[in-house]
Amino acid sequence: DADVTQTPRNRITKTGKRIMLECSQTKGHDRMYWYRQDPGLGLQLIYYSFDVKDINKGEISDGYSVSRQAQAKFSLSLESAIPNQTALYFCATSAGNEQFFGPGTRLTVL
Amino acid sequence: GENVEQHPSTLSVQEGDSAVIKCTYSDSASNYFPWYKQELGKGPQLIIDIRSNVGEKKDQRIAVTLNKTAKHFSLHITETQPEDSAVYFCAASPTNTGNQFYFGTGTSLTVIP
Repeated sequence: DADVTQTPRNRITKTGKRIMLECSQTKGHDRMYWYRQDPGLGLQLIYYSFDVKDINKGEISDGYSVSRQAQAKFSLSLESAIPNQTALYFCATSAGNEQFFGPGTRLTVL
Repeated sequence: GENVEQHPSTLSVQEGDSAVIKCTYSDSASNYFPWYKQELGKGPQLIIDIRSNVGEKKDQRIAVTLNKTAKHFSLHITETQPEDSAVYFCAASPTNTGNQFYFGTGTSLTVIP
């Protein structure tokens, strides 16, 4: 089984809908991250969490919120999706310097 | 905050030739520089990294060099193979950001058999 899993892998939704992307990890890491990837822009950090009680905004947190339900689970929510949030979303974990990425969720907002 | 620039955005090489990807960073507090490989449909995977107290690191066909004075670092792949075809990302992590990474915009490498 993969160490970092993301659900769903693909999602199409409509403008204004609330959507949640989920991330689970079996690596036992305290640190978890959510990134957004757009063509030609690389990976941009949305939110990160160093433990269950610690949540921090990244470069592009506007329009997103997160919940760290447990050490192993970190969810990303779009309260009211808009078309420019169409992107590939990655969850990652780390215990030291190396970050381990999930397979990604492709989100399309119509 | 940190700003990482990566060049070129696309690179095509003949199998067996070398490939070089270059990145620059702006924050002198950055002290950790990983390189990630992303294959189609997958998440990025670490292939090599270097810390600011080292000028060069090599792992088989892959090497990374760091010039702290000039604030640039490069990935070198020798004897390229078709399976090296992927998107490569550099990143920089400043010491005061708690393991926060700033990524370059990626290089799509194609190795032509």
